[in-house]
Amino acid sequence: DVKVTQSSRYLVKRTGEKVFLECVQDMDHENMFWYRQDPGLGLRLIYFSYDVKMKEKGDIPEGYSVSREKKERFSLILESASTNQTSMYLCASRASGSETGELFFGEGSRLTVL
Amino acid sequence: QKEVEQNSGPLSVPEGAIASLNCTYSDRGSQSFFWYRQYSGKSPELIMFIYSNGDKEDGRFTAQLNKASQYVSLLIRDSQPSDSATYLCASLGGADGLTFGKGTHLIIQP
Repeated sequence: DVKVTQSSRYLVKRTGEKVFLECVQDMDHENMFWYRQDPGLGLRLIYFSYDVKMKEKGDIPEGYSVSREKKERFSLILESASTNQTSMYLCASRASGSETGELFFGEGSRLTVL
Repeated sequence: QKEVEQNSGPLSVPEGAIASLNCTYSDRGSQSFFWYRQYSGKSPELIMFIYSNGDKEDGRFTAQLNKASQYVSLLIRDSQPSDSATYLCASLGGADGLTFGKGTHLIIQP
């Protein structure tokens, strides 16, 4: 059974704090993604990675960074959290050359920044 | 800028009827299209994907693709209350992640 695991389901942080969101997949997928989902705005791509130590900006990278030191792990970092980063964060993975292109999602991490 | 447009709804359909969900996309280079279902508080799960013009059927679900008109649709036959969810349309145009629409909220009325 394929699995994408996000380390925290719910987090509450204060403005200015550094936040780490961890994502691990057990499917040996090359591609990993971080999205945020907000009411009325849908899913928006923050960053993605197609290989270890590689990263590419998505549509809304400002205020975020990522790290991919191992193939199975993709971390999203908020260097100095702000209230407008309160959101649901979804990690996903996909195999390169996948016939379907299907994304497999984690359960999500709901972050509240006070 | 790649865009996928959906009517946000809510779309209300009587139980047993056909639910019809539509989306349009802006990037003519998009290769594949996806319908994800998302229950409240849960992550999206894939329902259907389609990459060829025409219809693709899977059980009660039929995906339709018209590349000339740049639209994708999802039909749900014999709608059930458990089909009540938000349905996300997405396109795949390259190596990066899927581009998602904002979703259509579907309500199946018993």
